[in-house]
Amino acid sequence: GAVVSQHPSRVICKSGTSVKIECRSLDFQATTMFWYRQFPKQSLMLMATSNEGSKATYEQGVEKDKFLINHASLTLSTLTVTSAHPEDSSFYICSARGDRGYGYTFGSGTRLTVV
Amino acid sequence: AQSVTQLGSHVSVSEGALVLLRCNYSSSVPPYLFWYVQYPNQGLQLLLKYTTGATLVKGINGFEAEFKKSETSFHLTKPSAHMSDAAEYFCAVSDQGNTGKLIFGQGTTLQVKP
Repeated sequence: GAVVSQHPSRVICKSGTSVKIECRSLDFQATTMFWYRQFPKQSLMLMATSNEGSKATYEQGVEKDKFLINHASLTLSTLTVTSAHPEDSSFYICSARGDRGYGYTFGSGTRLTVV
Repeated sequence: AQSVTQLGSHVSVSEGALVLLRCNYSSSVPPYLFWYVQYPNQGLQLLLKYTTGATLVKGINGFEAEFKKSETSFHLTKPSAHMSDAAEYFCAVSDQGNTGKLIFGQGTTLQVKP
């Protein structure tokens, strides 16, 4: 079946630094990638949608300069949290739609802690 | 715009009892509907989905859901709960792929008591 590999699973960084999260589709081409943020005991909030080779579309209220999304290939999308602050600490999950019918495949998530 | 409401943020059942997790949706177009399960610190696993066709959808692990257009509902059921079913469950709606966005409900924590 379709698999999305998300790395790292956990990361701790200092306030003011940047962190990159990668999502790779292992056995299919991810034409669209979605990035979600999830606070403890809460639902998933869509941050942005990216299509391969084009700029990401951000949801209202999401700072595009802070959360940089790159989808340069059909198998790789990255989310970079720039100048991270403690309030950016959260669980980030990617989801890919590809060329194998209508479905979404989720990565395993990244727990970001900014100290 | 689309939205999903999950009634009950926390549901507790005894092992072997019926599981019923409620989901109501709002959509301006015929929706695609999904149920996902999430274990702590993990991503989401698809339980089942409705796109078109038969309104009673069977999924993995004995779960099923019925799409009721008149009630705008897509409730998730399982006849007999197992301890391993304890997790967070999310209902989600999509706009048939027009944008591809999945909009999630608030989630329901299922507790299974021995």
